[in-house]
Amino acid sequence: GAVVSQHPSWVICKSGTSVKIECRSLDFQATTMFWYRQFPKQSLMLMATSNEGSKATYEQGVEKDKFLINHASLTLSTLTVTSAHPEDSSFYICSARRGQFGGEQFFGPGTRLTVL
Amino acid sequence: AQKVTQAQTEISVVEKEDVTLDCVYETRDTTYYLFWYKQPPSGELVFLIRRNSFDEQNEISGRYSWNFQKSTSSFNFTITASQVVDSAVYFCALHLLLSGAGSYQLTFGKGTKLSVIP
Repeated sequence: GAVVSQHPSWVICKSGTSVKIECRSLDFQATTMFWYRQFPKQSLMLMATSNEGSKATYEQGVEKDKFLINHASLTLSTLTVTSAHPEDSSFYICSARRGQFGGEQFFGPGTRLTVL
Repeated sequence: AQKVTQAQTEISVVEKEDVTLDCVYETRDTTYYLFWYKQPPSGELVFLIRRNSFDEQNEISGRYSWNFQKSTSSFNFTITASQVVDSAVYFCALHLLLSGAGSYQLTFGKGTKLSVIP
């Protein structure tokens, strides 16, 4: 299967700082990438859909100004958590879809964010 | 609105037992895809299978098999002769085109945690 990487795999930061998470599709081009958030023992919740060259589409309840998404190229999307607070601590997972509708989504290994 | 229900929150089986994980979905769309993913303790989601709404054939892959029943909106997953390495959280997901929105969304169930005891 295709490979999606995420960097960093874990990060600890102080409250009020910003953290950037990168998501890369290593061996295929992805016009669409997705960002999910997963709290302990819970399911994945879609935060936003990231389309290359255009603005991300955010799910209801997700603050656009807090979770900045940039899909700069067909292989890279970034999620920046701005002014992070302890409640932002979570497991963030990106995925990249290969092809169009119905195409497989390949998931990154996730980034565990801990905000102190 | 679309919805995926995995009624079993946690299941424990003894190694070599067979186990079935249930998945029931809701959608008004006629064109959609169903997926199963495995999430081991490491956290990375592993793709297991994709099935489109027009293909009701059951599928077998090694010890894994899937039973898709459109009449009951179910897409159940069976592991035969379970092994300790099968211990993970398994997610069922529905992928459909949101009418008018032009976007594609994957809706996950809440997951079933499977523990295989040696």
